[in-house]
Amino acid sequence: SQQGEEDPQALSIQEGENATMNCSYKTSINNLQWYRQNSGRGLVHLILIRSNEREKHSGRLRVTLDTSKKSSSLLITASRAADTASYFCASLTQGGSEKLVFGKGTKLTVNP
Amino acid sequence: GAGVSQSPRYKVAKRGQDVALRCDPISGHVSLFWYQQALGQGPEFLTYFQNEAQLDKSGLPSDRFFAERPEGSVSTLKIQRTQQEDSAVYLCASSLVRTAYEQYFGPGTRLTVT
Repeated sequence: SQQGEEDPQALSIQEGENATMNCSYKTSINNLQWYRQNSGRGLVHLILIRSNEREKHSGRLRVTLDTSKKSSSLLITASRAADTASYFCASLTQGGSEKLVFGKGTKLTVNP
Repeated sequence: GAGVSQSPRYKVAKRGQDVALRCDPISGHVSLFWYQQALGQGPEFLTYFQNEAQLDKSGLPSDRFFAERPEGSVSTLKIQRTQQEDSAVYLCASSLVRTAYEQYFGPGTRLTVT
């Protein structure tokens, strides 16, 4: 399988706490994207970070990228019950390929 | 505006039957992608179109899988002689230009082969 790895596979926290998810990928990338998937809904794009960026923020989301370690992390601050979902990282390989390579996902549960 | 739509949402096929899954991308989106998502896994790339041209079909698991986008908008993924291992959710995504930007996903078609 080409898929990257995310850890943890599952995470359960209380509302108001922060959630951190990590992702590793295998090849040199053009960019890395994070998506959320709720049951019954499609994947929703959250944030994109380019290979020459190290950190990016969007609302309660903070993404970091370490290309030397081929890893990324997604931090969700002040979590809400509505953040309960599966989170996937997806890497766009450098070199002209148009396909996203997804990780296996982290299942986040935020308890009210 | 309308997002990516897919039909049917659910499909049950007997082993050996042919199925056709439809994707309507966001109007004006140039790129269209098909992914297969097994239970508990992330999506896996199947194929990619830019307008009507199929530029990458490296992810299609066998020659039983065929995709087309004849007029550069609606796309159909066809699976011939379905097998149990084809059971999965099939996701379609589109993007305005190239996938260097975000992709917009449809709700998927859940295919169950019995």
